[in-house]
Amino acid sequence: AQKVTQAQTEISVVEKEDVTLDCVYETRDTTYYLFWYKQPPSGELVFLIRRNSFDEQNEISGRYSWNFQKSTSSFNFTITASQVVDSAVYFCALTRYNTDKLIFGTGTRLQVFP
Amino acid sequence: EAQVTQNPRYLITVTGKKLTVTCSQNMNHEYMSWYRQDPGLGLRQIYYSMNVEVTDKGDVPEGYKVSRKEKRNFPLILESPSPNQTSLYFCASSLRDGLNIQYFGAGTRLSVL
Repeated sequence: AQKVTQAQTEISVVEKEDVTLDCVYETRDTTYYLFWYKQPPSGELVFLIRRNSFDEQNEISGRYSWNFQKSTSSFNFTITASQVVDSAVYFCALTRYNTDKLIFGTGTRLQVFP
Repeated sequence: EAQVTQNPRYLITVTGKKLTVTCSQNMNHEYMSWYRQDPGLGLRQIYYSMNVEVTDKGDVPEGYKVSRKEKRNFPLILESPSPNQTSLYFCASSLRDGLNIQYFGAGTRLSVL
């Protein structure tokens, strides 16, 4: 069975701190996809990144970076120099190859204080 | 603008009163899906549709119905809502292009009294 674990329920930081959100997944598939979505206080879900299981390259997009390690089944998300606008709930998710069903973790609420 | 539109955004109803939450996408996506979000549980899939007239159960389908008569629309029907269906509902759609990226509507917050 597939499963996504986000052990950090809530994280609070002060602006400009770096913060890492952990994501650990379980799957027996060799081909799968990992995602991060952001849910700001307004409630919508915003797609951030997709990574397939054959691509372990880390990715950086501005202040955001993602570290994918198959050896530890982790897909962690780091925000550098956090800002108040980063305050949101962040979800990690997994899909199997050739399906579209997203299996979500329980989310991590990030609060960035000025 | 490419988007997934859900209506209504907020709904308060009473037990047993049938309701429909509409979902429409303008991206010509084949795949559409409904999720519910509950505290501590993340999002769980209710139903999905691979294309017109093709629907199937997700992880928590009990108490819900769906239909897919047109490609753009995927309504969620609660025939007899109960308080345990109080939740935040999301509709999502994706192109079956191998990227598996789903785009979500803004959500519908439902309270069943």
